[in-house]
Amino acid sequence: AQSVSQHNHHVILSEAASLELGCNYSYGGTVNLFWYVQYPGQHLQLLLKYFSGDPLVKGIKGFEAEFIKSKFSFNLRKPSVQWSDTAEYFCAVNGGNNDMRFGAGTRLTVKP
Amino acid sequence: KAGVTQTPRYLIKTRGQQVTLSCSPISGHRSVSWYQQTPGQGLQFLFEYFSETQRNKGNFPGRFSGRQFSNSRSEMNVSTLELGDSALYLCASSLGQVRNYGYTFGSGTRLTVV
Repeated sequence: AQSVSQHNHHVILSEAASLELGCNYSYGGTVNLFWYVQYPGQHLQLLLKYFSGDPLVKGIKGFEAEFIKSKFSFNLRKPSVQWSDTAEYFCAVNGGNNDMRFGAGTRLTVKP
Repeated sequence: KAGVTQTPRYLIKTRGQQVTLSCSPISGHRSVSWYQQTPGQGLQFLFEYFSETQRNKGNFPGRFSGRQFSNSRSEMNVSTLELGDSALYLCASSLGQVRNYGYTFGSGTRLTVV
């Protein structure tokens, strides 16, 4: 069965710092990959997704993620975070069925 | 367009009772999935419905069930509630194959079992 690991439980950064959140998955076949964000008090929203093609995908609000197939990774990055990026971030993987598996989430706190 | 609507937003139930949660997907979305979100376990997949048929199911006991109506609205039922069922229950809809479109999530129903 597919599984997703997000190794960072809580990340604290200062504004303007660079961000990289790790995501690794285990699944032997072709996967579609997603990052979702949950701002405080709001519902989960799609940040970006990867299906095929260019392994570097760009999403909303300046976020990007890189798919490295050999490492089974899909790390999320942002060059310069803002206080408004404080949220919980979830990596998700969808393999051969419609059962989308989510990582445990990484809570990001950005200090102003 | 309206998003995914879940009702009620909050619910308090007693152990042993049953509960029904409702979800109205985005208009035109035929796939509806349910997740249980808890601080310790994150998002756990419950089931997915498409065109009134359960298409996929997670590893939850039979006390958790669901259904989908012809207008794509979905309900989730939990019978014989246990304290451990306290969680945020999320509904998510998709235009078609989830792997191709991803989800749009509702705000959830927070269930507290006392």
